[in-house]
Amino acid sequence: DGGITQSPKYLFRKEGQNVTLSCEQNLNHDAMYWYRQDPGQGLRLIYYSQIVNDFQKGDIAEGYSVSREKKESFPLTVTSAQKNPTAFYLCASSSPPGTEQYFGPGTRLTVT
Amino acid sequence: QKEVEQNSGPLSVPEGAIASLNCTYSDRGSQSFFWYRQYSGKSPELIMFIYSNGDKEDGRFTAQLNKASQYVSLLIRDSQPSDSATYLCAVNASPNTGFQKLVFGTGTRLLVSP
Repeated sequence: DGGITQSPKYLFRKEGQNVTLSCEQNLNHDAMYWYRQDPGQGLRLIYYSQIVNDFQKGDIAEGYSVSREKKESFPLTVTSAQKNPTAFYLCASSSPPGTEQYFGPGTRLTVT
Repeated sequence: QKEVEQNSGPLSVPEGAIASLNCTYSDRGSQSFFWYRQYSGKSPELIMFIYSNGDKEDGRFTAQLNKASQYVSLLIRDSQPSDSATYLCAVNASPNTGFQKLVFGTGTRLLVSP
């Protein structure tokens, strides 16, 4: 089955710890994206990547980092510098870039 | 700042009725428009996209686009309780850098009562 997988589904961390969220797709899509969703708010773009080994900051990149070493994978690291990391994190992909995006199931991160 | 506006709702309709969801956008150069359905606690699911003025139908869903008035709507015919969800409107902004990002509205919550 083609799709996007994110792991884990739920993640709990202590404040001050870095954490990496996994995103893998087997749709052969060129572009991948990370969004954050908070209650009552729309999706906000954190980072996006159009091709391997290239990525750009979105609207709220501070406190986050990404890598794109393989076409299939786009992991997101939430660093201790992110002031309010508790949120629902969504990975998406599209092909070609800029067209309709398909989302993974999401990772709900709770930092205490 | 490009914006996409939606009424947060909830929009309540009885089973079998037509649900009408609306979205306005600020960037007149926007070229493509998307509707996503999001059940509580789940990720968004793409249900419709539209690029040209007019109507686009897919089963019980119809997307309507009016670029002159800068609004896009989603009609759901014969609404079912299973349609109860939050509907997100997303707009692909005009290409300034060669890469078009989606801008999402905050969503309209739809409640379909049996």
